[in-house]
Amino acid sequence: NAGVTQTPKFRILKIGQSMTLQCAQDMNHNYMYWYRQDPGMGLKLIYYSVGAGITDKGEVPNGYNVSRSTTEDFPLRLELAAPSQTSVYFCASSQLAEEDTQYFGPGTRLTVL
Amino acid sequence: GQSLEQPSEVTAVEGAIVQINCTYQTSGFYGLSWYQQHDGGAPTFLSYNALDGLEETGRFSSFLSRSDSYGYLLLQELQMKDSASYFCAVNQGGKLIFGQGTELSVKP
Repeated sequence: NAGVTQTPKFRILKIGQSMTLQCAQDMNHNYMYWYRQDPGMGLKLIYYSVGAGITDKGEVPNGYNVSRSTTEDFPLRLELAAPSQTSVYFCASSQLAEEDTQYFGPGTRLTVL
Repeated sequence: GQSLEQPSEVTAVEGAIVQINCTYQTSGFYGLSWYQQHDGGAPTFLSYNALDGLEETGRFSSFLSRSDSYGYLLLQELQMKDSASYFCAVNQGGKLIFGQGTELSVKP
């Protein structure tokens, strides 16, 4: 199994541009998450999904959108990129909510200039 | 609001034991998790406490006391490869709320 994969690994955007960060998992997990991590900080939840067609906001959803059309994929859309969105973005998945381990992808390093 | 407090840095020598504390102000969570993150890498799961008490996984142990709003991660027989950031996180129905992390430096 590849686990959780993310593309691209790195990206530089200009202010106002849009992009989609891709995330896929091959573990048939129901739950998927998007986090951002600013330098020297913990991870903050942006959006999460409990299954195909169901998404909900996390702590810091402003400026982002998500969709979940399949169990495997959970893309994160940035509209009108701003310098405040410069961060490392991690996607994660888990089988259960209450106790299960979350498995993280390798991350996407995004810089907005 | 919800917050978790951890020391920002801890330094220890190889072979020693180190304890990383986590105090929290939140309620209604399923349990306390610990994740390890090497510089530039993805967080990886270390340990989880659903109930009060000690959980042991090899060289790592984790403890939770809900009455004291407190937990800790204990690392024994420290190795150089343990140098990393360690995050505590409360699990609220699958949503993880993370602390800001503790950077552990292991010296020879």
